[in-house]
Amino acid sequence: DAKTTQPPSMDCAEGRAANLPCNHSTISGNEYVYWYRQIHSQGPQYIIHGLKNNETNEMASLIITEDRKSSTLILPHATLRDTAVYYCIVRVAGYGGATNKLIFGTGTLLAVQP
Amino acid sequence: DTGVSQDPRHKITKRGQNVTFRCDPISEHNRLYWYRQTLGQGPEFLTYFQNEAQLEKSRLLSDRFSAERPKGSFSTLEIQRTEQGDSAMYLCASSLRKRGTNNEQFFGPGTRLTVL
Repeated sequence: DAKTTQPPSMDCAEGRAANLPCNHSTISGNEYVYWYRQIHSQGPQYIIHGLKNNETNEMASLIITEDRKSSTLILPHATLRDTAVYYCIVRVAGYGGATNKLIFGTGTLLAVQP
Repeated sequence: DTGVSQDPRHKITKRGQNVTFRCDPISEHNRLYWYRQTLGQGPEFLTYFQNEAQLEKSRLLSDRFSAERPKGSFSTLEIQRTEQGDSAMYLCASSLRKRGTNNEQFFGPGTRLTVL
């Protein structure tokens, strides 16, 4: 079973920031938070991941609470092409991580409105 | 395009027939994963390879399913005696298990199977 909880859907106006929440209250100390997204009829796409510090890349920012029990993915200026299902996943990362398989939940369907 | 390719993109078959899918990972990636995704659900892990060795199989992978990665490069997933419940999108992903990397998985476009 997925170890995360996400709202099933969210709307966002084009050009505004999209803030997608995720709860992972049972996360272990060596587990990272990963975000993937899946645009309709495509395979999932990696967005960002983090352990405990906030992270930013060219696609998004990841804010992880101090107790690591929840996080927020931020798309700073959402476009219509950001309409997708966003998955929050926790798993051990890096060279030492077991299989590193991804356990997906049902994600959040983000609909960016024009 | 992530660099992971899958063939065919779509397959329609009749119940009871055998089907085989192929996945070509990113060339230097040593790990290869298969997932299955049904409508409205997230992808579910099926199996993974490190080089040519199949190291883990999900309980979802019944005896009718078999996967191979004979030379540690491309992989095939075969389903024998297909059933209507096998209708799904079959996704392949690859990653590089190496110190200092994110070990992120890159997904292919998937093969959509419809069993009539």
